[in-house]
Amino acid sequence: ETGVTQSPTHLIKTRGQQVTLRCSSQSGHNTVSWYQQALGQGPQFIFQYYREEENGRGNFPPRFSGLQFPNYSSELNVNALELDDSALYLCASSRRTPGTDTQYFGPGTRLTVL
Amino acid sequence: ELKVEQNPLFLSMQEGKNYTIYCNYSTTSDRLYWYRQDPGKSLESLFVLLSNGAVKQEGRLMASLDTKARLSTLHITAAVHDLSATYFCAVDPYNNNDMRFGAGTRLTVKP
Repeated sequence: ETGVTQSPTHLIKTRGQQVTLRCSSQSGHNTVSWYQQALGQGPQFIFQYYREEENGRGNFPPRFSGLQFPNYSSELNVNALELDDSALYLCASSRRTPGTDTQYFGPGTRLTVL
Repeated sequence: ELKVEQNPLFLSMQEGKNYTIYCNYSTTSDRLYWYRQDPGKSLESLFVLLSNGAVKQEGRLMASLDTKARLSTLHITAAVHDLSATYFCAVDPYNNNDMRFGAGTRLTVKP
């Protein structure tokens, strides 16, 4: 157990709908990163939040957006869902100490888009 | 474009045998991570390699990093069934915990 929690565990949506996924970071961690892991592939970096601001973004369209709250928890929002958005969504938290700390992953949210 | 390539992608081993998984990356990175993932589960941190020549060992797994060659290896010694999982390497080229992962090596250890 890493202390990083995510909700919900599983989610089923239909194309065109919107979804919000939530992540609570490990105590003492102020940075949250979100990853998308399609079946049989490695995680792909979506974006990172530090002190409530986006601090880096991968190759994902603007319909993927996020928030970080003062308690460092975070949300990932996906609008206009597409079938290819079906994946395991992982959040990872870390301290903002570049070069010295590792990221700890939550259990993930399995999103299925029908 | 940053590329992180793992080799092999699939590995079937007999218990007791040794093998090495390779991770090549295409850009400068002083940090490299190894993670383990069991089916349907999240990622478990195995090793963080922070400098050229770094070597870390935990049980039957040993990881090394050569930043000049942009290569990391994960060596498995005397494999046991419990090591069956998918292993990912990842680099952090911007030193800000924005990690880029390889495709993973799916390891199966057979009796």
